[in-house]
Amino acid sequence: GAGVSQSPRYKVTKRGQDVALRCDPISGHVSLYWYRQALGQGPEFLTYFNYEAQQDKSGLPNDRFSAERPEGSISTLTIQRTEQRDSAMYRCASSLAGDGYTFGSGTRLTVV
Amino acid sequence: SQELEQSPQSLIVQEGKNLTINCTSSKTLYGLYWYKQKYGEGLIFLMMLQKGGEEKSHEKITAKLDEKKQQSSLHITASQPSHAGIYLCGAGGSNYKLTFGKGTLLTVNP
Repeated sequence: GAGVSQSPRYKVTKRGQDVALRCDPISGHVSLYWYRQALGQGPEFLTYFNYEAQQDKSGLPNDRFSAERPEGSISTLTIQRTEQRDSAMYRCASSLAGDGYTFGSGTRLTVV
Repeated sequence: SQELEQSPQSLIVQEGKNLTINCTSSKTLYGLYWYKQKYGEGLIFLMMLQKGGEEKSHEKITAKLDEKKQQSSLHITASQPSHAGIYLCGAGGSNYKLTFGKGTLLTVNP
């Protein structure tokens, strides 16, 4: 596609529910990144894929968070047993060679 | 870990005025990215600076990287309401991760 597409744009979920956030990167972009941005803060790194391989997941807050990119294209970030502190903007970015990151519009997650 | 401090945190200017936003790193900057964030939109890439002393311009926005000071500045000339938003600096090291500052909220009053 022309840009990085994220869905849904907004997600409201009840505490304890699982959520799946989707990212469709720019076609041909090898690298895919997930970031989380709290209100009034800059984005914070969560995890990174090169093709289908998850190269770094050091930014995932705990084991309730997981991500996959099975075919090296679309990626899903899953949060299990959501908590209120998980509420944030979740941003996906992709790049061709590790620089010139293009970000999607993000998914605003609200846990009530 | 690398930390980026942006100043000011927020800025209100009258349309037509010039302004500068600063980004200071706790470590040497190998690559510095400037992004703009508008409500409901993604992060819009503005510029990337890699070399000490490098300066880039796009329309009325100029960014400089002072490697010795571990600092970058973003200067907007003759600001317009369309410049309003949150400006974020991000540092890329020798790896793929970007570390971001907290952002500077710019308001331009017509």
